[in-house]
Amino acid sequence: RKEVEQDPGPFNVPEGATVAFNCTYSNSASQSFFWYRQDCRKEPKLLMSVYSSGNEDGRFTAQLNRASQYISLLIRDSKLSDSATYLCVVNGGKKIIFGKGTRLHILP
Amino acid sequence: NAGVTQTPKFRILKIGQSMTLQCAQDMNHNYMYWYRQDPGMGLKLIYYSVGAGITDKGEVPNGYNVSRSTTEDFPLRLELAAPSQTSVYFCASSTEGPLQPQHFGDGTRLSIL
Repeated sequence: RKEVEQDPGPFNVPEGATVAFNCTYSNSASQSFFWYRQDCRKEPKLLMSVYSSGNEDGRFTAQLNRASQYISLLIRDSKLSDSATYLCVVNGGKKIIFGKGTRLHILP
Repeated sequence: NAGVTQTPKFRILKIGQSMTLQCAQDMNHNYMYWYRQDPGMGLKLIYYSVGAGITDKGEVPNGYNVSRSTTEDFPLRLELAAPSQTSVYFCASSTEGPLQPQHFGDGTRLSIL
């Protein structure tokens, strides 16, 4: 199993729809988890941290499933501006692992 | 707020040339990182620093060197540029360690020809 694995996509989703994607990780001792957003030819930007109890920020919901070792990101009422690549980041001790990202295209 | 500033934004080098990529942050963050991102790939950690005077290798350190003489600055040095070092380089910083989210600079696009 790869350290951090994401479906590369692309996910082509009509505007207004709900979309979700997962990120699996191999190190059961991983301690913190994040979702970043990266626009084409831009730097990654923090979207949200992922907490054990799950957390929500507006239209975005992040969840952590430690038993199955994955995190998820749910986007509701998707907007054209949500089109981007979403990177999951898993930190365990000193090691930081970035996933390769899931590409999301929101269609008008 | 400037955040994390990288210079230059673009650079073309010839094989064998050397250069320094500059990174500065004004958030008083202890931790700083250098990543490279090849097309369609995830970010790979080159070097990181936990504070002034302390640096350590990441996943792909070969061909690079760093220094951290101040809290603010974390330059990345390429001594003998090779085509395999063509990439986008991102510098990032965080308050305390890899358990905290990172703030990224807007990158340096480097081509080695």
